[in-house]
Amino acid sequence: QQPVQSPQAVILREGEDAVINCSSSKALYSVHWYRQKHGEAPVFLMILLKGGEQKGHEKISASFNEKKQQSSLYLTASQLSYSGTYFCGTNTGTASKLTFGTGTRLQVTL
Amino acid sequence: NAGVTQTPKFQVLKTGQSMTLQCAQDMNHNSMYWYRQDPGMGLRLIYYSASEGTTDKGEVPNGYNVSRLNKREFSLRLESAAPSQTSVYFCASSELPPPISGLRGELFFGEGSRLTVL
Repeated sequence: QQPVQSPQAVILREGEDAVINCSSSKALYSVHWYRQKHGEAPVFLMILLKGGEQKGHEKISASFNEKKQQSSLYLTASQLSYSGTYFCGTNTGTASKLTFGTGTRLQVTL
Repeated sequence: NAGVTQTPKFQVLKTGQSMTLQCAQDMNHNSMYWYRQDPGMGLRLIYYSASEGTTDKGEVPNGYNVSRLNKREFSLRLESAAPSQTSVYFCASSELPPPISGLRGELFFGEGSRLTVL
């Protein structure tokens, strides 16, 4: 079951904040976040695990609400380099694989 | 410092032709994956391999075959290409083996192979 990301797209001015959400219809064991710039490979940002463990980039902030089966990625004081498509991947524990959402396109402008 | 290398980067095929996408990683990772990316669909897993000699189906395996030749290399073969297989294909690897890799493993992606089937 593919997780649902919202919003689908967002445009920010440099310095503004944004929140990207990822929701699942199933209980989550972990949520993974990746960013993909146009024409490039997805790059790892963060993993959030059931129980509160996190690993990833220090400058990236995210939350994982196990009860609501949701995760949110917080982008504060956005920079032009934050532009790209953000994907969440969810692990529901039934298999060893991640299922990715359809992505949130973020554009940061001057 | 190559990471994950995919070849070719671009390919145009006619319906019914066959081809193989090659992937190699130099990070000594255990797990390797093939994803396809289509507009509005995100990344969908085609096949994965936990170790040399083992492969498993992902979400969209129909029309594809894979080979884990050794620990470094994982190839994806289209035996009879169809227009529905027009996509960008990404190979990825993870240090951790399944099922742990799906839980807490960071994926390292190649730069992608853009395939068009006419």
